[in-house]
Amino acid sequence: DAKTTQPPSMDCAEGRAANLPCNHSTISGNEYVYWYRQIHSQGPQYIIHGLKNNETNEMASLIITEDRKSSTLILPHATLRDTAVYYCIVTGAGSYQLTFGKGTKLSVIP
Amino acid sequence: EAGVAQSPRYKIIEKRQSVAFWCNPISGHATLYWYQQILGQGPKLLIQFQNNGVVDDSQLPKDRFSAERLKGVDSTLKIQPAKLEDSAVYLCASSLESWDRGGSPLHFGNGTRLTVT
Repeated sequence: DAKTTQPPSMDCAEGRAANLPCNHSTISGNEYVYWYRQIHSQGPQYIIHGLKNNETNEMASLIITEDRKSSTLILPHATLRDTAVYYCIVTGAGSYQLTFGKGTKLSVIP
Repeated sequence: EAGVAQSPRYKIIEKRQSVAFWCNPISGHATLYWYQQILGQGPKLLIQFQNNGVVDDSQLPKDRFSAERLKGVDSTLKIQPAKLEDSAVYLCASSLESWDRGGSPLHFGNGTRLTVT
């Protein structure tokens, strides 16, 4: 699996958009970008995934650069409940193994 | 739908004792995973099952860890004997078998927090 690089921590004001970056410069053509988050004392929660097109669901938007070497997870209106560690993971199609890094600890501030 | 169920939620044992964790995946999910999460780190895959067969156990310390999924549904993870460094949260996850769009997401339980003293 390709490695990813994320900032260790970020702050975001409540109600503002949270933009979480991820670098995956060695990603292969058939590898997907997944985002999960982990709220304290809970298991990781799936957020969104994509291959090369931008994706949006009820939780977030995923923006993948044209060269696919980086992506950004956008939480449009962050709330206190979005405080969590966010993991960006790259994995191949048909490979269900997720290799977690240390992620980005997002703190949403009132 | 009901989520992934794990028990117990917490467990404290002394080193060299044995311990077992139980996981009931989401109904219909063919793939089941056990992850270990040490404090301050991301989860690390220990073993992956497809129905009742092992797909990957390359990171499972087989001298002390074992896991089974006999009927392709519930699973147990056992540690015998436990070491201090086994203190961690043990997470179970499950997913549908799907090859479309990068596979289906993993659904995680809330884990069992093990403390070895």
